Amino acid sequence: QSALTQPRSVSGSPGQSVTISCTGTSSDVGGYNYVSWYQQPPGKAPKIIIYEVTKRPSGVPDRFSGSKSGNTASLTISGLQADDEADYYCCSYAGRTGVFGGGTKVTVL
Amino acid sequence: EVQLVESGGGLVQPGESLRLSCAASGFTFNTYWMTWVRQAPGKGLEWVANINQHGSEEEYADSVKGRFTISRDNAKNSLYLQLNSLRADDTAVYYCARNGGWYLMDVWGQGTTVTVSS
Repeated sequence: QSALTQPRSVSGSPGQSVTISCTGTSSDVGGYNYVSWYQQPPGKAPKIIIYEVTKRPSGVPDRFSGSKSGNTASLTISGLQADDEADYYCCSYAGRTGVFGGGTKVTVL
Repeated sequence: EVQLVESGGGLVQPGESLRLSCAASGFTFNTYWMTWVRQAPGKGLEWVANINQHGSEEEYADSVKGRFTISRDNAKNSLYLQLNSLRADDTAVYYCARNGGWYLMDVWGQGTTVTVSS
């Protein structure tokens, strides 16, 4: 149950795109299409923004998109906005349990 | 309104026990898996445990297996987490979450804080 690997931080200017990677193994990310992504603003509870690798819950802007290749999943935020500044976590099914990534802080310059 | 409200957190000494509760409302509680997730101060999210709709299947992270027990009372629309043999590294905000699909958490509570310190 080792944590998935995410970059500690990424940054971009308003309107730009940023991509966050989430690297696991064939026992979690690579083995199942059950990767989800969560946005956590400072001091608040997490909110789901992507599930099953690519799907967006209703109400989540299409600026957020997910993908996967092999053991690495990715979250792309297009048209970066000031209120996108938050911590982002990936999570994967790992056979019997769940496992989160270490989190990535997104800074809007 | 779909809502989850955690309670039961507090300050305890190492080795002591605590029982967390999560009250669900606004949805049919007995049709969803439920999950506990925790977040240590300044750290990332950690998956802790989950339980199926009937309370007959449970899974735990290795870090809490044998010390924590997840349970539910569908008649009371409530989820629980019994924390035993608490250690300093169990200090965290504990969130309950609804599983809207397979291992996806679509509704979260506001969290309850557990502090383990002598």
